[in-house]
Amino acid sequence: EAGVAQSPRYKIIEKRQSVAFWCNPISGHATLYWYQQILGQGPKLLIQFQNNGVVDDSQLPKDRFSAERLKGVDSTLKIQPAKLEDSAVYLCASSFEQGAGAFFGQGTRLTVV
Amino acid sequence: GEDVEQSLFLSVREGDSSVINCTYTDSSSTYLYWYKQEPGAGLQLLTYIFSNMDMKQDQRLTVLLNKKDKHLSLRIADTQTGDSAIYFCAEVNDYKLSFGAGTTVTVRA
Repeated sequence: EAGVAQSPRYKIIEKRQSVAFWCNPISGHATLYWYQQILGQGPKLLIQFQNNGVVDDSQLPKDRFSAERLKGVDSTLKIQPAKLEDSAVYLCASSFEQGAGAFFGQGTRLTVV
Repeated sequence: GEDVEQSLFLSVREGDSSVINCTYTDSSSTYLYWYKQEPGAGLQLLTYIFSNMDMKQDQRLTVLLNKKDKHLSLRIADTQTGDSAIYFCAEVNDYKLSFGAGTTVTVRA
C-alpha cells in the first residue's frame, strides 16, 4: 500500500515570496492533517480536514496560510507571503477516520531566507 | 506550553531497556499514540493504546497507561542502535491529534 506522498521534499525561498506544498494521502483515508514542525519541537497542527471539509484550523495563520482539499483527496497548503519564522518542516498525515492512527509523509523542509 | 509533556533526552546503553515517559492533559482522550522520528524522516506510528487498557505489549515495545495520573510510558526492551530517534507521545482529544515536544533517545555502545 502506498504511503502519504508529499512534494517537494525541499524548498528554499526568499521572504515575502509564495510557496505551495502538495499532499496525496493514503487511498481511502478520510482525514487529512497538515502539521508544522519547527526544529527541536513537536508537530503543531495547522489544519485538519474530514473529507473536503475543515474540522479545525484554529492554529492556521490565516492572513498568510491557506489550505484546500478539493474532492476530498489531495490537498495543497500555501504560504503567501512567507516570513523567516515559517522555516520549518511541513508534514502531511492521513488517517482512516478522525481519532485513528495517522500516517505521515516524509515532509517538506522549507527554508525562508 | 505543550499540552503533552515529555522529558527531552534519554541516553541508554545498547541491550538495556529504555523507558520514555509522557503526561497528557485530557482525561477524555480515547487513544494515545507513540511515534518515532528518525533524522530527515516523517513520523512513524509505533504503537497505540486505547484508554480502557492499562498495558499493551507489541514485540519489544510495552505501553503502560495510568489514567488516574494521566501518565503514559513506552518501554523498549533490548534497545538497539536503530532505536536512536526522537519519540513523540500523542493524544487524541476532540478528534485532534496533539503531540508532545519529543524525547531524543541516544543509544550508546
